[in-house]
Amino acid sequence: QVQLVQSGAEVKKSGASVKVSCKASGYTFTSYYMHWVRQAPGQGLEWMGKINPNGGSTNYAPEFQDRVTVTRDTSTSRVYMELSSLRSEDTAVYYCARELAVTGLDIWGQGTMVTVSS
Amino acid sequence: DIVMTQSPLSLPVTPGEPASISCRSSQSLLHSNGNNYLDWYLQKPGQSPQLLIYLGFSRASGVPDRFSGSGTGTDFTLKISRVEAEDVGVYYCMQGLQTPPVYTFGQGTKLEIK
Repeated sequence: QVQLVQSGAEVKKSGASVKVSCKASGYTFTSYYMHWVRQAPGQGLEWMGKINPNGGSTNYAPEFQDRVTVTRDTSTSRVYMELSSLRSEDTAVYYCARELAVTGLDIWGQGTMVTVSS
Repeated sequence: DIVMTQSPLSLPVTPGEPASISCRSSQSLLHSNGNNYLDWYLQKPGQSPQLLIYLGFSRASGVPDRFSGSGTGTDFTLKISRVEAEDVGVYYCMQGLQTPPVYTFGQGTKLEIK
């Protein structure tokens, strides 16, 4: 079946980087964009960026432009989101979600909790 | 950037009664191709968000027909014809029109059962 499986929870120190993976299965990996969305504890959803696995082009939210890098590995059908210079406000659940152009984010990963401690 | 504003932020509903959530954008979401780039999502407690509606009014696969989306331009509405207990959660609208691509969510509307 179609699913996105994310890597496990992470605990990082302030100033460090974190890399979260999202493995896609059950569909043609290069046919769908992959987005990253995060949710701080008790807060709403915040869009971070997306990648076109077919070619690797990316778009990022302005507030993350300098700190986030989204990449993909077509050989393993994985997308990666790396966030650098972590601070306490980056403590959140990070989700990957796929999109077939303009038809919404229809499949979501289970989420990865990233905790940043000082 | 396009700002999305939802109302109400909290919505207590009696089972079997209808419910309505408003989403307004700071700029028109109507593309020259005639599509409104507005989605609705539901995040049930403890779960990942799920897609309900895309392009303003198209129901996603498997979404019950008691959910409907309407609106155009800057004003959109999600309606639930008869609320059921399983509809509890936080509803978000999201725009996807901005160029270069930057997507933004509304603050969320928490639906609870009375």
